Amino acid sequence: KAGVTQTPRYLIKTRGQQVTLSCSPISGHRSVSWYQQTPGQGLQFLFEYFSETQRNKGNFPGRFSGRQFSNSRSEMNVSTLELGDSALYLCASSLLAGGGYNEQFFGPGTRLTVL
Amino acid sequence: GQQVMQIPQYQHVQEGEDFTTYCNSSTTLSNIQWYKQRPGGHPVFLIQLVKSGEVKKQKRLTFQFGEAKKNSSLHITATQTTDVGTYFCAGPNAGNNRKLIWGLGTSLAVNP
Repeated sequence: KAGVTQTPRYLIKTRGQQVTLSCSPISGHRSVSWYQQTPGQGLQFLFEYFSETQRNKGNFPGRFSGRQFSNSRSEMNVSTLELGDSALYLCASSLLAGGGYNEQFFGPGTRLTVL
Repeated sequence: GQQVMQIPQYQHVQEGEDFTTYCNSSTTLSNIQWYKQRPGGHPVFLIQLVKSGEVKKQKRLTFQFGEAKKNSSLHITATQTTDVGTYFCAGPNAGNNRKLIWGLGTSLAVNP
């Protein structure tokens, strides 16, 4: 079974731009969660989608948004990029909704650098 | 707010020595998950503990969940260079069990 894939793997943007990241979950998994990972803050939960609906949201500003398509693929968008948005963005899929209860399978991440 | 703390932040050991990382939550957890992230890699699920006082073993790794379900530990016996990485614990958010709250991780370095 193919694992979780994320594209692109690396991205360099400048302040004020916007960016879209993509995540394809493991086949059959309907839950996709997004995390931001930085050295000082660890993994911070952004949001979770299940069956095209956002089920949970972390404490991030409205510049961070996402969506999920009928094939469970998910996209994350960050508008008006700031220097502090530089991070590794990880996507994780699970069979059932609710990362708090279910093993999550992570993708390799997208390394975003904002200049 | 709810916090999940891990200690130590870093640990440097000689190959063959034992290693332990501790995870403490400010609230009671319904379960706790452990993940390992190799340098340059992504987190990989190791185990989930659910019951009070639960102990589970995976070869040289021993996981414990405290009786009060507020703390957990991961012990590695006779470390190997393949154990290098950052070990994270994560537990469900008390207000919303569907979200995971992550510790900052313990980074393990092993000298051959």
